[in-house]
Amino acid sequence: EAQVTQNPRYLITVTGKKLTVTCSQNMNHEYMSWYRQDPGLGLRQIYYSMNVEVTDKGDVPEGYKVSRKEKRNFPLILESPSPNQTSLYFCASSLIRATPSGANVLTFGAGSRLTVL
Amino acid sequence: RKEVEQDPGPFNVPEGATVAFNCTYSNSASQSFFWYRQDCRKEPKLLMSVYSSGNEDGRFTAQLNRASQYISLLIRDSKLSDSATYLCVPGNTGGFKTIFGAGTRLFVKA
Repeated sequence: EAQVTQNPRYLITVTGKKLTVTCSQNMNHEYMSWYRQDPGLGLRQIYYSMNVEVTDKGDVPEGYKVSRKEKRNFPLILESPSPNQTSLYFCASSLIRATPSGANVLTFGAGSRLTVL
Repeated sequence: RKEVEQDPGPFNVPEGATVAFNCTYSNSASQSFFWYRQDCRKEPKLLMSVYSSGNEDGRFTAQLNRASQYISLLIRDSKLSDSATYLCVPGNTGGFKTIFGAGTRLFVKA
């Protein structure tokens, strides 16, 4: 089954304790991205990647790191989590098509609910 | 002006009603547009893609007005199962950043 898999789905942690949220897709998609979703603010992009070893900042990258060493994986790293990073996180992926119709349909993971105390 | 703006709602409609949402966007270079549906605390899922003036899929119709820079989503004969948040996403805004609208909440009541 074509899917994006995130882990963990739920995590409660404490301020300053490094954590990684993994994201893996089995669709051979070039594009991968991380979003956070907060009430009233909608989905905001944290980082995205166009391909292996190519990453770029989204709108809210502060406090996060990513890596793209393999095409299928795009982990999100919180080196020193803080309470304002408590949120619902989504990973998504898509193909990249260079056509006039442009950007592509995103497939999302089921989400990771993170609480930082 | 925000890059993507949606009326947050909520829209409360009875079953069988027709309801329409608008989404305005600021980047005139956007070529494609997407409506995603998101159920509470779940991942967004694609509802419709719009590449030209519009698209229709059963009870759902999306229309694009490039001159006024808005896209609309029309839902006919609303079902209880249509209750969700509907997210608007212009494609290709500033490279491959994806900017989502904050979403419009719809409640369909029996």
